[in-house]
Parts: sequence; structure tokens; C-alpha cells
Amino acid sequence: QLVQSGAEVKMPGASVTVSCQASGYRIFTYGISWLRQAPGQGPEWMGWISADNGQTHYAEKLQGRVTMTTDTSTNTAYMELRSLTSDDTAVYYCARKMGVYDYWGQGTLVTVS
Amino acid sequence: EIVLTQSPGTLSLSPGERATLSCRASQTVSSNYLAWYQQKPGQAPRLLVFGASTRATGIPDRFSGSGSGTDFTLTISRLEPEDFAVYYCQQYIDSPRTFGQGTKVEIK
Repeated sequence: QLVQSGAEVKMPGASVTVSCQASGYRIFTYGISWLRQAPGQGPEWMGWISADNGQTHYAEKLQGRVTMTTDTSTNTAYMELRSLTSDDTAVYYCARKMGVYDYWGQGTLVTVS
Repeated sequence: EIVLTQSPGTLSLSPGERATLSCRASQTVSSNYLAWYQQKPGQAPRLLVFGASTRATGIPDRFSGSGSGTDFTLTISRLEPEDFAVYYCQQYIDSPRTFGQGTKVEIK
């Protein structure tokens, strides 16, 4: 199970951090991917963080604005997105693995307004 | 970037009918690294099929995936009331991972 932090409302230019706590398995066993879904749109891949060495790979359009980390002591992954604009308004999801997403968090609505 | 185009946009069918959903890729999805997801309003996507044709754990056998190369299909043999939802295909052979725009299966 992946449990995400609650909804956020942010001003343009601000930053947001979404957390994703895993239960039932150790987070370092598999990678964690982050995706987002704007209203009425399909999911958009944002990037992943590798399980074994913490290596990250981000979507080109988000390079420089996004950082993904993990804390193995609390079995939690984090995604920070900076310099928010209204285009970043979406539901943000964490998902297990880096290719096929077999478990998803419940989603975190981030509203930029 | 591999672009996935799903058709039709909306499928209007009755319970018990067969649904056939299409996903076409802009370039070959090698090793059949294609997955299908179901999403209901207010919920996260749910993995149905991976490897183009392998059902995920707990997915009923009325769901089947097929295809290779650039053309893939998800078939729901007999629609149950809980199957009315939006379906997405996704490729995971290339980065960035990409999704289709979705097919909505609605009750006729």
C-alpha cells in the first residue's frame, strides 16, 4: 500500500512537497515513480527514483524544478516541485516500480492559485 | 517520445456486450512493453495488463490484451457494470513513459 500526504493549495511561484509512505514492503526493493494527472487528462509521467542506488530520472520538461528522494528509515518517498504555475494544478500520484505501475497511492490534489 | 493514440475516444455499450479498445504507437514498442490501466472517477489507475497480454494479479479473465509492434488491443469479453470506466494504454520500453489519451467505456 502507498499512502500519500493530503491536498495542498499553493500560490504561483511556491514549492510543494508530496510524500508517499509504503507499507507491506521495503521501499528500497522497488523503484518509485511519480505521475500527475491534470483535470480531464491522462496520466503524465514525471520521473522515477531507483530503488538500489537512489538514482533519479526526470521528465525533460520538469528538469530543474523537480526533486525526488526517499527516506528508507521511514519507508517514505518524497517529490518536491518548485516554481509552481497554474499548469501544475493536478492530482499527483506515486506508484511502485519504474515501468509497469502495479500499486498506486491514492493521489494528492495540488491546486496552484 | 513514443506517442500512443487510443481509439475510439468513447465506446457506448450495454452490459454483457464485448468491448474492443485500440492503442496505436508512433513507433515499435519492442518486447511488447505495453500495459493497460482502468480508472474510475476519483480513483487511481488500476493495472489490468502488462507485457501486452499478461493479466495482472486478480484481474478477471474477461479482460484480455493482444497485439505487438505498433498495434495493441484490450478486449473485455462481456461487460460487467463495474467495467464502465476510462482505459489507458502505456508504454514502458522508452523514456519518457507515455500514456494514451484514454478510451471511455460508457453505458449505452
